[in-house]
Amino acid sequence: NAGVTQTPKFQVLKTGQSMTLQCAQDMNHEYMSWYRQDPGMGLRLIHYSVGAGITDQGEVPNGYNVSRSTTEDFPLRLLSAAPSQTSVYFCASSYSPPSGTGGWTGELFFGEGSRLTVL
Amino acid sequence: KQEVTQIPAALSVPEGENLVLNCSFTDSAIYNLQWFRQDPGKGLTSLLLIQSSQREQTSGRLNASLDKSSGRSTLYIAASQPGDSATYLCAVKGYSTLTFGKGTMLLVSP
Repeated sequence: NAGVTQTPKFQVLKTGQSMTLQCAQDMNHEYMSWYRQDPGMGLRLIHYSVGAGITDQGEVPNGYNVSRSTTEDFPLRLLSAAPSQTSVYFCASSYSPPSGTGGWTGELFFGEGSRLTVL
Repeated sequence: KQEVTQIPAALSVPEGENLVLNCSFTDSAIYNLQWFRQDPGKGLTSLLLIQSSQREQTSGRLNASLDKSSGRSTLYIAASQPGDSATYLCAVKGYSTLTFGKGTMLLVSP
């Protein structure tokens, strides 16, 4: 059971570099999301998607881009990394009700996380 | 805006004790509440999911209750073990947002 798979697990970048964090799930979940976790701040939503071709911003979207071309994959792109983006990033997915009213009501499954350091 | 508070922030108990972790939220208009466990350097693992129409859910030694009207949920852990040591987070699902608490760090000593 692969579940939610994130790569890479660790990454060090220099300020201004770009990179993509990969997220894939094999549970046929419609809903996928990216969070960042920082000490004292808890988990904060960056972007989310309720299905292929549909994305939306979360609480802290600035500096990040996403796309959802398939149900399985939801990559997170940092176009020009900044030290403030040093964090642990988590991808999470969930089954979404067909009506999609107000988002989802299902159980959320997380990946193992990607630890990013921007120097 | 929904605010989720978890008290205490940290808890240390000897093995075998029964314990209660608390989660409170300010907006009672929720769809569900989910409890997670996070081990150091790892992702979050779902423990229990309580829908808004439910009062409690049980899984093994874990029991979670939900009182929407008072904006509270508790996670009861029976007969705690050292392997229960982790950070426990609750997350509240509203109409368009999912709000996490900052967690309770639990240490169970042998």
